[in-house]
Amino acid sequence: SQTIHQWPATLVQPVGSPLSLECTVEGTSNPNLYWYRQAAGRGLQLLFYSVGIGQISSEVPQNLSASRPQDRQFILSSKKLLLSDSGFYLCAWSEPYQGASKNIQYFGAGTRLSVL
Amino acid sequence: AQSVSQHNHHVILSEAASLELGCNYSYGGTVNLFWYVQYPGQHLQLLLKYFSGDPLVKGIKGFEAEFIKSKFSFNLRKPSVQWSDTAEYFCAVNLPYRSSSASKIIFGSGTRLSIRP
Repeated sequence: SQTIHQWPATLVQPVGSPLSLECTVEGTSNPNLYWYRQAAGRGLQLLFYSVGIGQISSEVPQNLSASRPQDRQFILSSKKLLLSDSGFYLCAWSEPYQGASKNIQYFGAGTRLSVL
Repeated sequence: AQSVSQHNHHVILSEAASLELGCNYSYGGTVNLFWYVQYPGQHLQLLLKYFSGDPLVKGIKGFEAEFIKSKFSFNLRKPSVQWSDTAEYFCAVNLPYRSSSASKIIFGSGTRLSIRP
């Protein structure tokens, strides 16, 4: 069966420090991968998605970047964190080639990031 | 721009009460609709989905939702809630997207449901 792992679960970082959050998926090949940010009372905002190795699409301009160095690995990064980067970050995956409108996403446990 | 609205931010009910959480979306084309649930300390997980066919869909744990195309709505219902239904509920819409194999899911802001024992 497929599983998705995210780490770390919680992270406290000073302003201006770098960030690296990792997400890996097991049990499937060539998944679509997604990074979301969940802010309190604001639902989930799609940050990045990837349909393959090295292919990253950004949804919103921001201080963050994403990379996909391997088929089932998705990394969220920042060179210098801002206070406004605090939040709950969720990684998700979906099966490839389901058709553009039948996309069930499966979520990781999330990383709670506090920038101080 | 496409959006999903969940008008109830926090709903408090007693056990055995009936539940209806509202969800409206703004998109004129074909959509797929979802309700996700996040129990305290757990992953976000799929509660139910609508792709096509019968607009009344059944999900896990006795939940159901009705797609009313003319109202752009996909409300979640449960006849009798339990304390274990305490969670945050997210409505989501899956739109056709510019990529050939990935599509965009837009989530509502969520409704926090608290059940009093």
